[in-house]
Amino acid sequence: DAGVIQSPRHEVTEMGQEVTLRCKPISGHNSLFWYRQTMMRGLELLIYFNNNVPIDDSGMPEDRFSAKMPNASFSTLKIQPSEPRDSAVYFCASSRTGGRNQPQHFGDGTRLSIL
Amino acid sequence: AQSVTQPDIHITVSEGASLELRCNYSYGATPYLFWYVQSPGQGLQLLLKYFSGDTLVQGIKGFEAEFKRSQSSFNLRKPSVHWSDAAEYFCAVGSGNTPLVFGKGTRLSVIA
Repeated sequence: DAGVIQSPRHEVTEMGQEVTLRCKPISGHNSLFWYRQTMMRGLELLIYFNNNVPIDDSGMPEDRFSAKMPNASFSTLKIQPSEPRDSAVYFCASSRTGGRNQPQHFGDGTRLSIL
Repeated sequence: AQSVTQPDIHITVSEGASLELRCNYSYGATPYLFWYVQSPGQGLQLLLKYFSGDTLVQGIKGFEAEFKRSQSSFNLRKPSVHWSDAAEYFCAVGSGNTPLVFGKGTRLSVIA
């Protein structure tokens, strides 16, 4: 079975540029999560969707960040404009539901470097 | 609100030695508990999970964890560590219909 697929794996861009990260969840999973991981702050939940609907975006750091899930098999996380402090590894995860008993399955992440 | 504490930021063990990684949680009801492992450059992989029943759960890669309600703990153990076990380990707790809450992780180093 294919796992969660993220693209690109690495992204290097200059500050001020728009960055789009992509995620394809596991087929049949109804919940999708975006995380950011840094040395300083660890793993942070940015936003999650249930059945393509954003449920909680309180972890999104600023209005420069936005996420969409146009259908059950695709989601994007966009940063516009990007800043050096956005440099991190961004993970997408999916689960069958958003409930407490459902393990999340993670992609391999996108390592983002903003120069 | 639920929370997870992993008291040890970094642990170093010798190859072949036993391992125990600590995890304490805060949650009013019976929690759903998970351990994940993250190898360098990769995402988090589920090692094992506890929902109910037997408090000692077996996972992949020879890991096990024991749920102790009286201590609010869910410690991860392995009897003999291999060099390939060097990674970051995350404990997580689930409650209600909210996403899992993750601890800050414990980095495991394995020396010869």
